Amino acid sequence: SSELTQDPAVSVALGQTVRITCQGDTLRSFYAAWYQQKPGQAPVLVTYGKNNRPSGIPDRFSGSTSGNTASLTITGAQAEDEADYYCYSRDTTNNHVLFGGGTKVTVL
Amino acid sequence: QGRLVESGGGVVRPGTSLRLSCVASGLTFSSSGMHWVRQAPGKGLEWVAILWFDGSTEDYADSVKGRFTVSRDNSKNTLYLHMSSLRVEDTAVYYCARDTGYYYDSAGYSYNWFDPWGQGSLVTVSS
Repeated sequence: SSELTQDPAVSVALGQTVRITCQGDTLRSFYAAWYQQKPGQAPVLVTYGKNNRPSGIPDRFSGSTSGNTASLTITGAQAEDEADYYCYSRDTTNNHVLFGGGTKVTVL
Repeated sequence: QGRLVESGGGVVRPGTSLRLSCVASGLTFSSSGMHWVRQAPGKGLEWVAILWFDGSTEDYADSVKGRFTVSRDNSKNTLYLHMSSLRVEDTAVYYCARDTGYYYDSAGYSYNWFDPWGQGSLVTVSS
């Protein structure tokens, strides 16, 4: 069955750049969406499509894709970016919804 | 953008039933596919169910198939999740979320996302 694989955790120094990756076969033809989730809060959409950000999301967040890997890059990480990040995709052959296991980002 | 508000969560015994509600405002609910997604304590997001905008098609994760039923009342802008034969492992925060529909680009990629999400409703199944 289709699945999405993320690294469990990553750390970044304040103001530096961090890339979070998500691997899966569906990503060869589907642009991942990325969600940020802080403790006790609902997920918040940060990027979708090829590289689109909803209004209110800082431009330090960007999405990209290559082959079977989608990436979320935070350029100039801030303390408030410390959170769990989940990638999302769909298996368009059966419309099944897929979430990655999540990556915990720690800002040092 | 819109807003979704879940309700109906609580503490229940294994084997019993519970119904969650999700009320939508500020979005075109009747033309939106809707999902339920859950998150067990300390765990990641798990998709639970989808219901198409007109209620014509539904699908479920294998973990809840045959026990959970999703329904909607477009006249009330409300989505429901009927949960029966509840198990301890169903303990989670349950979120409803709107499906934005599929988009396609010239490179042959498709994309889609969930937005907005509700604030979540906690269901605890415990003896």
